[in-house]
Amino acid sequence: QKEVEQDPGPLSVPEGAIVSLNCTYSNSAFQYFMWYRQYSRKGPELLMYTYSSGNKEDGRFTAQVDKSSKYISLFIRDSQPSDSATYLCAMSGNSGGSNYKLTFGKGTLLTVNP
Amino acid sequence: DSGVTQTPKHLITATGQRVTLRCSPRSGDLSVYWYQQSLDQGLQFLIQYYNGEERAKGNILERFSAQQFPDLHSELNLSSLELGDSALYFCASSVEGLGNGELFFGEGSRLTVL
Repeated sequence: QKEVEQDPGPLSVPEGAIVSLNCTYSNSAFQYFMWYRQYSRKGPELLMYTYSSGNKEDGRFTAQVDKSSKYISLFIRDSQPSDSATYLCAMSGNSGGSNYKLTFGKGTLLTVNP
Repeated sequence: DSGVTQTPKHLITATGQRVTLRCSPRSGDLSVYWYQQSLDQGLQFLIQYYNGEERAKGNILERFSAQQFPDLHSELNLSSLELGDSALYFCASSVEGLGNGELFFGEGSRLTVL
């Protein structure tokens, strides 16, 4: 079983839709949870950052972490064509004495159609 | 613009050859990370340096090596190249190296091995 599982999609939605992106993980040592956005031919950029369980909201984006279920989500409200990108979940934690490695999901390709 | 500079942007070479990828981190960042991104494996952590010293190692092959210089720029050396080494290689930097902070990614070096 991979440490982080993410449905690669692709996901295609109309403009204005609510988008739900998800990841599951198996390593209970993960404590830091992130969502990165990667536009085509660009490097990933940090979108949301959450420590431990709970919700975090930033504008149209909401990140949720459920450590009991080992499940994280990213919601995008009122999606825009500019949100079209690959979304990667990432997580890290103190595992075996090393908390330096950020483990990424494979990414979900999202297209928002005007 | 993340502030992380990677060169070259594109590289085409033959099997058995050796290449060097270069990374300049953001001003003030002490930690440099190297990642490999391929369609089937996603973003895979290779190695991390902090202030000139190796901090963590991931799935880095023995044919690959890296170093961080006193001016904090880093180089990733790939030798005895194989077709399967074709991928996007990303460098990222952060202020500290705890793995729980924001990583700033460069735009990547696309390596094609023929």
